Amino acid sequence: GESVGLHLPTLSVQEGDNSIINCAYSNSASDYFIWYKQESGKGPQFIIDIRSNMDKRQGQRVTVLLNKTVKHLSLQIAATQPGDSAVYFCAESNQAGTALIFGKGTTLSVSS
Amino acid sequence: GAGVSQSPSNKVTEKGKDVELRCDPISGHTALYWYRQRLGQGLEFLIYFQGNSAPDKSGLPSDRFSAERTGESVSTLTIQRTQQEDSAVYLCASSLLQGGEKLFFGSGTQLSVL
Repeated sequence: GESVGLHLPTLSVQEGDNSIINCAYSNSASDYFIWYKQESGKGPQFIIDIRSNMDKRQGQRVTVLLNKTVKHLSLQIAATQPGDSAVYFCAESNQAGTALIFGKGTTLSVSS
Repeated sequence: GAGVSQSPSNKVTEKGKDVELRCDPISGHTALYWYRQRLGQGLEFLIYFQGNSAPDKSGLPSDRFSAERTGESVSTLTIQRTQQEDSAVYLCASSLLQGGEKLFFGSGTQLSVL
């Protein structure tokens, strides 16, 4: 079946460190992946996306890496700031192309 | 509007009552989605609308759940005979064109069934 999972439910880092949040997916036919950030009481906010024909994509302070061989997705946040503290979700497009399938999320805590 | 708007932001109801949740998508977005998020959990897909095509209802958990959308505008999610396990945040999202990509979410409706 289709499922998206995460390696670790929580991640604690110091301000200024680089953060890496990992995600494993099960559907080798998935062709679209995306990362969201969700702060308490708010809806998920788009961070970055990537298609399966790419291995890496960079945004502002964020990089998404896709390893299709091992079905692994990661989000790298450079120079992590306290404002980055949130729950991060990876998601993949479902087979029908009608929705995103979400994992359970990783809670990132950034201390000053 | 500038973003996806949902109302009410909070809804408290008694078990057995019907509730209706509203979503205003981003203007011009043809695709609209409803998700449910239980406390501390990920998002569960409920239903997808794309233009005038038949909706994808594959995520609706029971026949107590239904949703409507008029054209490419407002959508309502209705839960009949609410149960305590329906308590969750109900999130609406919209996307510009193709389904299942780059969804923009509203802040959700927190539903509490007593």
